[in-house]
Amino acid sequence: GAVVSQHPSWVICKSGTSVKIECRSLDFQATTMFWYRQFPKQSLMLMATSNEGSKATYEQGVEKDKFLINHASLTLSTLTVTSAHPEDSSFYICSASTKTSGFSYEQYFGPGTRLTVT
Amino acid sequence: SQKIEQNSEALNIQEGKTATLTCNYTNYSPAYLQWYRQDPGRGPVFLLLIRENEKEKRKERLKVTFDTTLKQSLFHITASQPADSATYLCALGSNFGNEKLTFGTGTRLTIIP
Repeated sequence: GAVVSQHPSWVICKSGTSVKIECRSLDFQATTMFWYRQFPKQSLMLMATSNEGSKATYEQGVEKDKFLINHASLTLSTLTVTSAHPEDSSFYICSASTKTSGFSYEQYFGPGTRLTVT
Repeated sequence: SQKIEQNSEALNIQEGKTATLTCNYTNYSPAYLQWYRQDPGRGPVFLLLIRENEKEKRKERLKVTFDTTLKQSLFHITASQPADSATYLCALGSNFGNEKLTFGTGTRLTIIP
């Protein structure tokens, strides 16, 4: 159980175009979904937190107009990188959260999407 | 500012031995701590969660300790196998119900046959 999928697994796009990445929780309903970015040999950096039906909460330094997040349902969140530039090339990972007990949560991660902007 | 450090960027261990990874944090009061495994080009996979009032957690060959006085967690893999080779990440969560995790820098573990 607790499977999260991402689509596409990799994408190459030209500078200035937009790219949409989908994140789905396949066998559970996620209270919250998260979007992370990971550069080579670095840890995961949280970009934004997404709750179904409400606006995403972005971390400091992340441009909300550039990284559009739409959380359409309890099982689907999308990240759109608008007007992509080469410096946006990275590994984008989503996760879906389910509450275990009290205030502790387990996050289940998608396989990631490798974005390359040329 | 909050800081989470994992003991070393890379760790090589002989097969069969116990691998011990360290996660230290400063300027943080986590309610719980999690350990994840990440293989190259893949998303992290959840391994263990330990709460602030717990000292130790075990799961098969894995053991996690949590010392809130030392602000440190130790992650042990006993009877290590080459298949255990991966990057291991610790992550801290707060007790404010916002579910956010802050990840450590990761340790790349290699089990040598």
